[in-house]
Order: sequence, then C-alpha cells, then structure tokens
Amino acid sequence: QAHLEQSGAEVKKPGASVKISCKGSGYPFSNHLLHWVRQAPGQRLQWIGSIHPGNGDTEFAPKFQGRVTVVEDTPASAAYMELSSLTFKDTAVYFCARDWGGGRNGGMDVWGQGTTVTVSS
Amino acid sequence: EIVLTQSPATLSLSPGDRATLSCRASENISKYLAWYQQKPGQAPRLLIYDASQRTTGIPAKFSGSGSGTDFTLTISNLEPEDFAVYHCQQRANWLHPTFGQGTKLEIK
Repeated sequence: QAHLEQSGAEVKKPGASVKISCKGSGYPFSNHLLHWVRQAPGQRLQWIGSIHPGNGDTEFAPKFQGRVTVVEDTPASAAYMELSSLTFKDTAVYFCARDWGGGRNGGMDVWGQGTTVTVSS
Repeated sequence: EIVLTQSPATLSLSPGDRATLSCRASENISKYLAWYQQKPGQAPRLLIYDASQRTTGIPAKFSGSGSGTDFTLTISNLEPEDFAVYHCQQRANWLHPTFGQGTKLEIK
C-alpha cells in the first residue's frame, strides 16, 4: 500500500530556512509526480510546487519561486523541500502528496501526514 | 492563476440529509476538477477526480458533476463521519494546481 512519511515538526525563527523530508514506500517512487502543499491556519490549501522523481523536473508557484528548493533522492525514495527566508506567514502544516492519473486527469491520491512548521521569534 | 470559489463556506445539516456543495472556477477548466475530504488533524483524502469519477473505495453516496466553470459535489444520506471540510482543486493547469477555500460541512 502506497505511503508517504514526512519528517517531524519544526520551530524556526524569522529569516531561517526549513527542510522537510517526504519518504515514499509501497509504490515505484520514480513513477509519480510529487507535490508540496501547505495549509496555514484558517487558509485554503496552497500548492507550493512539485518534482518528478524520475527526472528531477520541478515546477513552483510564482509566490514561492526563488525561495523554495525541492530535490529528490530516488534511490532512497525520498524528496526534500526547503523553504528559506521564513516569515510568520509561513507558519503552516506542510504536506507532500503523490500525483495520480497523469496530466490533467486524476488528483493527489496519497498524502503524507503533514509537518507543522511554526515560525516564531 | 485559476481561482476556485466554493460555496457555502459552512453548511449545517443533519444526519440523513443530502449535502450539495458548489465550486466555481474563474475560467473554463473543462472536466479537470477534483474533490477532497479533510477531517481535523488529517491530510486531505481524494474523493472525486475528473469532476465525476470516484476514487477507488469511495462509496456511491459521493457524486460529482459539472463542467466548464460550475461544479457540484453531492453527498447523500449524511452520516456522522461525512462531516468534514471539502476542498475542490483544479487540474486544468495541472502543473500549477489551485484549491478552493473549502466548505465546512457541520452537524446541525
């Protein structure tokens, strides 16, 4: 059964960076695009970016471009998202999610448990 | 960016009722819409993709419809476990997906 396991909660100061890991199991990790999505308190789900573990291709939402890095370690079935220059507005739960269906069809069918990132001085 | 607007923000119904949730896109997204259910402290769960296709294991009480800019998620015979937040997501621009703001389905 496909599963995504994320790293634990983080507390960071403004201006710092945070790196979150997402490890897949139970499916061929390189076959599926992997998304990063966050949910700030009381806000809608917000897509941050994605990586295709098979070739390392990435896409990012304009709002995060230049501040986010996503890399993959396919042999380890893992991906990592690093967000820099943190502000209080980056306090949120961060999810990784597997893309299923391909292209415009489908959805995000397997999600990690979420990683809470708190930005506090 | 394609903007999705969900309505109502909160829907108060009783067990056994039917729920009708709406999602409107700012431009034509054809059938490329997904619906998710999210319970407190949990990750979202994919219910519907391509506007009307149920994911494996999702019961027939959940149904999706619509195309273009207007979409509906209908949940029949509400049970206690159905009360949650529901999100829509467009995949017309699948490399830059966006979500609606969510509808909270609460027990009346």
